Parts: sequence; structure tokens; C-alpha cells
Amino acid sequence: KQEVTQIPAALSVPEGENLVLNCSFTDSAIYNLQWFRQDPGKGLTSLLLIQSSQREQTSGRLNASLDKSSGRSTLYIAASQPGDSATYLCAVQGDKLIFGTGTRLQVFP
Amino acid sequence: DTGVSQDPRHKITKRGQNVTFRCDPISEHNRLYWYRQTLGQGPEFLTYFQNEAQLEKSRLLSDRFSAERPKGSFSTLEIQRTEQGDSAMYLCASSFSGTSYNEQFFGPGTRLTVL
Repeated sequence: KQEVTQIPAALSVPEGENLVLNCSFTDSAIYNLQWFRQDPGKGLTSLLLIQSSQREQTSGRLNASLDKSSGRSTLYIAASQPGDSATYLCAVQGDKLIFGTGTRLQVFP
Repeated sequence: DTGVSQDPRHKITKRGQNVTFRCDPISEHNRLYWYRQTLGQGPEFLTYFQNEAQLEKSRLLSDRFSAERPKGSFSTLEIQRTEQGDSAMYLCASSFSGTSYNEQFFGPGTRLTVL
């Protein structure tokens, strides 16, 4: 059974810091891995999707890497801003998404 | 707006009542998914459709839950005889299975509160 873990569970940092959010999964037989952002009480916004054959994807200040063999993905946020405050979820994909419990990020001015 | 839409956004009901939620996917997407999210947790898979066929159901989907997708367009999720434990955010997502991405796009969710 696939299990997804995210570390840390919560993070509070001053504006401008570079951040690393971690995601690990137990079964390397995945199609893709997606990173999402969720604001309080809202739905999920897809940030990045990494196909199983890829090693990383970049979008603006976000970079996500994938190491299938070790069952790990990392989301790197450069030069964090208060607007980045949200919960970040990773999910591995077979026919459905299996989510971690998220990292709750707060960036203060 | 061509994103995934869900209706209603909020629903408050009394224990024992039936509720129905609707999801309209992105128009060209053939797959539609339902997830449930409780406070502080990641979303959990409930069921998904490819066109009008329901291909998989989670064990979380008890016999009080039923989902349909007539004509392969919008979908409804009905919960009968609601219980307080059903209180959660119900999320719908859609995707197109014809690419290697199968990227899922989520709607805003329906928050259910059972009193």
C-alpha cells in the first residue's frame, strides 16, 4: 500500500528565505508526482507535475525534483514571500492521487 | 471560466438527512474524481469515472454514498443518512487520460457540516 509522508509538517520563516519541502513515498511504481498549493478553506491549485521519467520541473521560483529509486521528491521555493503562505501537498499518481498530509507554510514579513 | 466547478460551496445539514453535491469538470476531460478531505489531512480518494463508467471505488465509500456521472459529463455525489463523521471538504477533480500527464485539476470543493 502506497504511503506518502511530508516533512516538515509546519514551517514558519521570514520573508526572503529559500525553502525546501520534502515528500517521501513507499512504492516507486508511480506514473507522476504532483505538488499542490492549498489556501485555507479552498481547493487545490496544481503547482508542478513531474512525470516518472523526469528528474525535475521548474516554474518561476518553484523547482521540484523527483528521485523514484529512493522514493523522494523535494519542492524548493526560492526567495519566499508572504503570499507563499499556504499548505503544500504532494501526491503520487497511479490511476488516482495519493496525498501526503501537507506542509503548512507561513512566511512573515 | 473553464475550470472545474462544484455546487454548492457550503452545505449545513442535520444528521440523518440526505445531501447531493454536483461537479462540472473541464469540458474536454474524460476522467472525473471525487476526494474527501478532513481538517489537517490530505485529500483521500473516494471514486473516479472514465466517461460514464465508474472504474474504482475506495473502501471509504460506504453504502450510504453513491456517485454517478450520466452521459460522461457532470457528476453527482449523494450521501444518504448523513452522520457527523461525514463532515469534511468534498473535492472534485478532472483530467484527460489521453496524455502521459493525466494531470488532475481540482475544483473549489464543497464543505459539508453535519450537525
